[in-house]
Amino acid sequence: KAGVTQTPRYLIKTRGQQVTLSCSPISGHRSVSWYQQTPGQGLQFLFEYFSETQRNKGNFPGRFSGRQFSNSRSEMNVSTLELGDSALYLCASSLGLLSYEQYFGPGTRLTVT
Amino acid sequence: EDQVTQSPEALRLQEGESSSLNCSYTVSGLRGLFWYRQDPGKGPEFLFTLYSAGEEKEKERLKATLTKKESFLHITAPKPEDSATYLCAVHAWGRGSTLGRLYFGRGTQLTVWP
Repeated sequence: KAGVTQTPRYLIKTRGQQVTLSCSPISGHRSVSWYQQTPGQGLQFLFEYFSETQRNKGNFPGRFSGRQFSNSRSEMNVSTLELGDSALYLCASSLGLLSYEQYFGPGTRLTVT
Repeated sequence: EDQVTQSPEALRLQEGESSSLNCSYTVSGLRGLFWYRQDPGKGPEFLFTLYSAGEEKEKERLKATLTKKESFLHITAPKPEDSATYLCAVHAWGRGSTLGRLYFGRGTQLTVWP
């Protein structure tokens, strides 16, 4: 069974630009969660989508948004990038019903200059 | 505020020197505790799920245990390839919500030298 895939793996953007990251979950998984990981803050929860609906949200500004498609693939968007947005963005999928075992993708390394 | 605390932050062991990592939590309504291993620049790799106090899970040189307030990850006779950051996460119900989410600790960075 294929694992969670994320594209692109690396991105370099300039302050003020926007970026879209993509995540394809494990087949059969309906929940996708997004996390931001930085050396100083560790893993910070962004949001979770289940069956195309956002059902949980962390404490991030509205510049961070996401969506989920009918095939469970998910995208997250960051608008008006700031230097502090440089991080490893991780996507994790789970069955999303009674099981909360999350399986992570390799991440997208975003660098904002 | 719900909290997951891992200790120590960093641990250096000589190959073969067994030790334990700690994960303590103060969340209410625990629905599960998870251990992950993360190598530099990669996504966390799922290791174990524990659901109730007294439960134990094993995988190769790793054994995870759970009590009502904490979990331990025991590493027996570690090898250099066990060097990684070990993350603990708990699944708990959120305040004001009937749905849960995972709360992660900061991790323990383990280095095993030959």
